[in-house]
Amino acid sequence: AQKVTQAQTEISVVEKEDVTLDCVYETRDTTYYLFWYKQPPSGELVFLIRRNSFDEQNEISGRYSWNFQKSTSSFNFTITASQVVDSAVYFCALSEGRAGANSKLTFGKGITLSVRP
Amino acid sequence: GAGVSQSPSNKVTEKGKDVELRCDPISGHTALYWYRQSLGQGLEFLIYFQGNSAPDKSGLPSDRFSAERTGGSVSTLTIQRTQQEDSAVYLCASSSGLAAQYFGAGTRLSVL
Repeated sequence: AQKVTQAQTEISVVEKEDVTLDCVYETRDTTYYLFWYKQPPSGELVFLIRRNSFDEQNEISGRYSWNFQKSTSSFNFTITASQVVDSAVYFCALSEGRAGANSKLTFGKGITLSVRP
Repeated sequence: GAGVSQSPSNKVTEKGKDVELRCDPISGHTALYWYRQSLGQGLEFLIYFQGNSAPDKSGLPSDRFSAERTGGSVSTLTIQRTQQEDSAVYLCASSSGLAAQYFGAGTRLSVL
């Protein structure tokens, strides 16, 4: 069975600090996809990134970066120089199998990030 | 439309009544998903439609819940004889090919 664990529940930082959100996953499939979504106070889930199990390259997009390590089953998300607009709940998610991104997502419980001015 | 559209945005109903929630996916997206977000359970998968294939209903919590997708586009999630524990935000998402799932703003259901 698939499982996503986000052990941190709430993180509070001061603006311009770097912050890392942890995600650990469990799956028996060799083919799977990992995702991060952001849920701002408005409530809509915003897609941030998708990574497949065969691509362990780290990715950087502006102030956001992701570190995927199959050896530790982790897919961590770092925000550099955080801003107040980064305040949101962040979800890590997993989908299994060859259908990959076209199959149901299993979500972690989410991490509430508060960035103070 | 540009994104996934859900209606109504808010629904208040009395225990025991039936409700219908609507989802209009992104045009051209072949896959459509329903999830539920509640304080106690987090984000849970409910049901998944892919093209003309039989839907994956493995996440539906009881037989009071059903969903259909007409013409491969709009979907309706129906909850019969609503209970207070059905109160949650119901989220719809759609995707195409191997792309990620894109979510609507959700319907907040309150059962009194």
